[in-house]
This record gives sequence, structure tokens and C-alpha cells, in this order.
Amino acid sequence: AQSVTQPDIHITVSEGASLELRCNYSYGATPYLFWYVQSPGQGLQLLLKYFSGDTLVQGIKGFEAEFKRSQSSFNLRKPSVHWSDAAEYFCAVGASGGSYIPTFGRGTSLIVHP
Amino acid sequence: EPEVTQTPSHQVTQMGQEVILRCVPISNHLYFYWYRQILGQKVEFLVSFYNNEISEKSEIFDDQFSVERPDGSNFTLKIRSTKLEDSAMYFCASIQAYNEQFFGPGTRLTVL
Repeated sequence: AQSVTQPDIHITVSEGASLELRCNYSYGATPYLFWYVQSPGQGLQLLLKYFSGDTLVQGIKGFEAEFKRSQSSFNLRKPSVHWSDAAEYFCAVGASGGSYIPTFGRGTSLIVHP
Repeated sequence: EPEVTQTPSHQVTQMGQEVILRCVPISNHLYFYWYRQILGQKVEFLVSFYNNEISEKSEIFDDQFSVERPDGSNFTLKIRSTKLEDSAMYFCASIQAYNEQFFGPGTRLTVL
């Protein structure tokens, strides 16, 4: 079974600063990897996904993530954070074979200071 | 753009009562899911549904829960005899095939 670890519960950055949210996964084969964002009181919105191919994936809202197989990581980055990026971010890993049920990390809460 | 919808947005119920949470997945999607998120905690998988039957379920999804696709559009989660600890956000999701899930906005269930 797959699992996901998001080691940071909270991250605080200043507006305009760069951001990196960490995600480590455990899965025996090549996983499907996702980052979702959840604004307060809202549902989950997909930021980006990795299925195969180029290990650097671009997403919406200026986010990108890099799949590093050797480190079992899929960290989310943004070069310049905006106040509207304050939200909860979830990394998820899905099994590439068999049934498709992604497992979510516990989430990282992003706080943006003006 | 097609989207997953959920009703109601907020449901308040008394402990021991039955609730039905409703979802309308995207019309050409084939796989349907329910997730739960207790306040401040991570999103937890409850159940997946394909071809009119449950394909997988978690240990959370016990006999208290049931799912149904009563017609060609709705996908429901029924919770019998609700407990205080059932208070959570419940998210419905659907996918067409092996791809990302599209999530609904959620139903906040409050059990008093």
C-alpha cells in the first residue's frame, strides 16, 4: 500500500518569497502523484499531477513540482508567493496499477505574511 | 466546465438520525468516491464505486455507511444512526479513467 508524508504541518512565508512544500511517498512502483489545494471552506482543487515523462511538472497558479525517484519526493514549489496562496496543500499518491485510490498526506497549512 | 456538485452544503443532524449526502458526478465519469475530512485532519478515503458496485472500501466504511447510485446521475452516501464522531466534511469525487479525481465542494456534516 502507498503512503504519503508531508513533514511540515505549517509553513509561514512572506509575500513575494519563494515556497517549497515537501512531500515524500512510499510506493513500490512508479506512482501517480498529485498536489491539491484547499482554501478555507472549499473543496480540493488540483494544482498539478505527475503520471510519467518529464519529472518537472507545471501546474496552475504558477506552481511546479519535481518528481525525484531517488528521494521518493514530489516537492511543490512557487518562486513568488501571493497572499491568495494561503491555504491547505495536500500531496497525494495513487497506485499506478490496479484500483486507483489516491492516498492523501495530512496536509501543510501555508500562512502568508504581508 | 463540468464539475462535481454536492448537496446540501451543510447538514445538521441529531445523533442517531440517518443522513443522506448527495453528489452529482461529472456525467461521463465512471468511478466515484467518497472521502471524509474531520476538522483539522487529513482527507480520508471511505469508498470507491464502479459499475454499480463498491470496488474498494476503507476500514472507516463500516455497516453504518452505504452508497448508492439510484439513477444515472446521483451518487449518495447514507449514514445510518449518526454518531458525534461522524461530524466532518464529506467530499465526493469522480474520474473518467486513470486520471486525476475531480472533487465536489463538500458537505459539512454536524452531528449534535
